[in-house]
Amino acid sequence: RKEVEQDPGPFNVPEGATVAFNCTYSNSASQSFFWYRQDCRKEPKLLMSVYSSGNEDGRFTAQLNRASQYISLLIRDSKLSDSATYLCVVNPRTNAGKSTFGDGTTLTVKP
Amino acid sequence: DTEVTQTPKHLVMGMTNKKSLKCEQHMGHRAMYWYKQKAKKPPELMFVYSYEKLSINESVPSRFSPECPNSSLLNLHLHALQPEDSALYLCASSQDWGEGYTFGSGTRLTVV
Repeated sequence: RKEVEQDPGPFNVPEGATVAFNCTYSNSASQSFFWYRQDCRKEPKLLMSVYSSGNEDGRFTAQLNRASQYISLLIRDSKLSDSATYLCVVNPRTNAGKSTFGDGTTLTVKP
Repeated sequence: DTEVTQTPKHLVMGMTNKKSLKCEQHMGHRAMYWYKQKAKKPPELMFVYSYEKLSINESVPSRFSPECPNSSLLNLHLHALQPEDSALYLCASSQDWGEGYTFGSGTRLTVV
């Protein structure tokens, strides 16, 4: 079993749709959690940190469920510009700095 | 300055060449990283520097040699690479271990 697993995708949604991605992790001692987006042939960019209390940034909402060991990303009112690969990243308490990336979920938003 | 700058953006090198990739950040970040990314795969950790000291080497072949001259600079020296080493090489930095990363735009390396 992989340390971090993401919904395989791809997700193809119309503009304006709401889409949610999940990411599960196996190390219960994991300490910090992030979502990155990566456009084709570009570098990953930090989208959001994920906190136990949940956090929201405009159309994006991230949640952490420690009991079930998963994080989620919700995108409301999808835009064409949201098309990208979304990577979840988990940092364990030990080996700090040795982040584990999920394989990524590809989102395509269509007109 | 909220960027990580990588040079060169593209590099083609022969298997007998020696080249270096450079990375610079002026955000005062104390952790810096080298990642390798193949097409349609997530980034794969190579090295971690924390407070200018090598903290993690993910069993990377010795043909890749990292160097951290100061807190703002990170180099990756390349020698006798193989065609399978062709990939996007990403540098990243974070305020400290466990914090979110800022990635550079990467060096797209082709070994011929």
